[in-house]
Amino acid sequence: DTAVSQTPKYLVTQMGNDKSIKCEQNLGHDTMYWYKQDSKKFLKIMFSYNNKELIINETVPNRFSPKSPDKAHLNLHINSLELGDSAVYFCASSSRTTQGANYNSPLHFGNGTRLTVT
Amino acid sequence: AQTVTQSQPEMSVQEAETVTLSCTYDTSENNYYLFWYKQPPSRQMILVIRQEAYKQQNATENRFSVNFQKAAKSFSLKISDSQLGDTAMYFCAFMKQGGSNYKLTFGKGTLLTVNP
Repeated sequence: DTAVSQTPKYLVTQMGNDKSIKCEQNLGHDTMYWYKQDSKKFLKIMFSYNNKELIINETVPNRFSPKSPDKAHLNLHINSLELGDSAVYFCASSSRTTQGANYNSPLHFGNGTRLTVT
Repeated sequence: AQTVTQSQPEMSVQEAETVTLSCTYDTSENNYYLFWYKQPPSRQMILVIRQEAYKQQNATENRFSVNFQKAAKSFSLKISDSQLGDTAMYFCAFMKQGGSNYKLTFGKGTLLTVNP
């Protein structure tokens, strides 16, 4: 049973197109994230949602729009794709409420979506 | 803002030997978590080990252990009896405890190769 699942696994598209990546978690976590891993393997947070509310938005171009229809889903829509958007995008989830207000669980990651813009 | 520094871009070790990966971090927080994640060629991000800053005892998970030095802001990972399957990128990461803004801040990673 996959805990955090992302689709698609690979995405190849042309510049200027609009694309979406979907993410679902079945861990009962209340917080979900999108991370971007660049060609040098550096992982940087893009967005975080807690109980469907956006809590982190890290200077990401507004061509990127996350949407969280419910606690278990966080999708990423990208408009007008550019060559520099090519990267691996990871969805992740964590829980804060399981053991009290000051507890943060580790992040559980999906397997990543490799986006290639040509 | 927190920063995480991994000063060794690449390391290699012979199978069955021990290797230590370095990590330092900078924060003004007193309560936080530190993690090591492993990313093999399959691209999965796998949690290796976790340390709570308020705990003085170093975390251990089978062949993996850490040397956590809070005053020095150092968090190294020791892998004993290295196995070929340990070949991967290893990322050190920091998370503030509590609050509403809890994200993982990663170092740039160390590529570990275990040689037969």
